[in-house]
Amino acid sequence: EVQLVESGGRVVRPGGSLRLSCAASGFTFRHHGMSWVRQAPGKGLEWVSGINWNGDNTGYADSVKGRFTMSRDNATNSLYLQMNSLRVEDTALYYCAREMFDHYGMDLWGQGTTVTVSS
Amino acid sequence: EIVLTQSPGTLSLSPGERATLSCRASQSVSSTSLAWYQQKPGQAPRLLIYGASSRATGIPARFSGSASGTEFTLTVSKLEPEDFAVYYCQQYGSSRRTFGQGTKVEIK
Repeated sequence: EVQLVESGGRVVRPGGSLRLSCAASGFTFRHHGMSWVRQAPGKGLEWVSGINWNGDNTGYADSVKGRFTMSRDNATNSLYLQMNSLRVEDTALYYCAREMFDHYGMDLWGQGTTVTVSS
Repeated sequence: EIVLTQSPGTLSLSPGERATLSCRASQSVSSTSLAWYQQKPGQAPRLLIYGASSRATGIPARFSGSASGTEFTLTVSKLEPEDFAVYYCQQYGSSRRTFGQGTKVEIK
């Protein structure tokens, strides 16, 4: 089955760290760029970060730049988001999403993992 | 950073009616780098349109997209009950992407 499964979300204190994971299956992971997108409770979608097929090019939203690091392991079909210096405003449902192979668009999404930053 | 502004915020329509959703970019955006998504409550977003006007796999023909300068439009020709949802546009600029704030299409 073609799918993305996120994990790692939990409650964390402000200033803390967290590592999210996304397990890909059913498709050739190394052929695709990937993104993390988040959605705060009751709010819209916010792109967080993206990575190209081999991991040598990453991009970040201004809101997380310098605090979050995205990486991937094509050998294990895994995607990661290392989140440091977490803030209350980072509270959200975090989705990983597959970028289309030859067009711009995210054509496969996981169900998300919830990160809550609270004291 | 390119800002996408969607309008209206909420669209109240009846099944069978035509829905026209707008997405305006703050600066030039290539048509190839504009996508539309649909999100229903409790679900992940679903890709509808890529390249401003190409339907994604499995998307019904009643969904169409168009572009004119910095203005992008998503049209649903005849709303089905399952089309009532929130719709987002998204652009790809250099190494960053941004989403619009969303348009909710609700049943009138």
